[in-house]
Amino acid sequence: ETGVTQTPRHLVMGMTNKKSLKCEQHLGHNAMYWYKQSAKKPLELMFVYNFKEQTENNSVPSRFSPECPNSSHLFLHLHTLQPEDSALYLCASSQDEARRQYFGPGTRLTVL
Amino acid sequence: EDKVVQSPLSLVVHEGDTVTLNCSYEVTNFRSLLWYKQEKKAPTFLFMLTSSGIEKKSGRLSSILDKKELFSILNITATQTGDSAVYLCAATIYNQGGKLIFGQGTELSVKP
Repeated sequence: ETGVTQTPRHLVMGMTNKKSLKCEQHLGHNAMYWYKQSAKKPLELMFVYNFKEQTENNSVPSRFSPECPNSSHLFLHLHTLQPEDSALYLCASSQDEARRQYFGPGTRLTVL
Repeated sequence: EDKVVQSPLSLVVHEGDTVTLNCSYEVTNFRSLLWYKQEKKAPTFLFMLTSSGIEKKSGRLSSILDKKELFSILNITATQTGDSAVYLCAATIYNQGGKLIFGQGTELSVKP
């Protein structure tokens, strides 16, 4: 499935850097999501956007800042991250919040 | 606290074997249960189950939900090396938007 794309695919950053992850969906969906997948842990939902409005913030630290300028694009702005934030960050979209979610390939983030 | 538990966490079988993966859930206002296959990066959708006792089938894969005993199973018959992946199950909840609660995943390895 290539309906959801993410860039970059790999990112290495220092703790003082600022970077952004980008997600784009070409499926005409209205809901978009950010997930974090750490080794040996379940996928953790971070944020949910529905029609560009944030509907869920799952107690995510403020060093992660989402942005959804339109229904097709979702960003995750990163600043002053910690090494324990190293993980695979997955974006997903769905037609609405009740439907199945389609996942992007993820960004493998390493924080040094 | 809502939770989803999968078992086993890992499994090694030989081609041609049949496997059964388990997923139990304890969630308030359960709506549906989803199965995903994750090979390298992006989880790909397998099944969505909402009704108890109705088997869903796709080729060699099948799944069923038991809402009384709060579990689901994913069966794979005549396994192939291409079935090697992490299988994820996730529960959705009414009135919680698109929030998916994931289990830890079962890592399946199919040997030639």
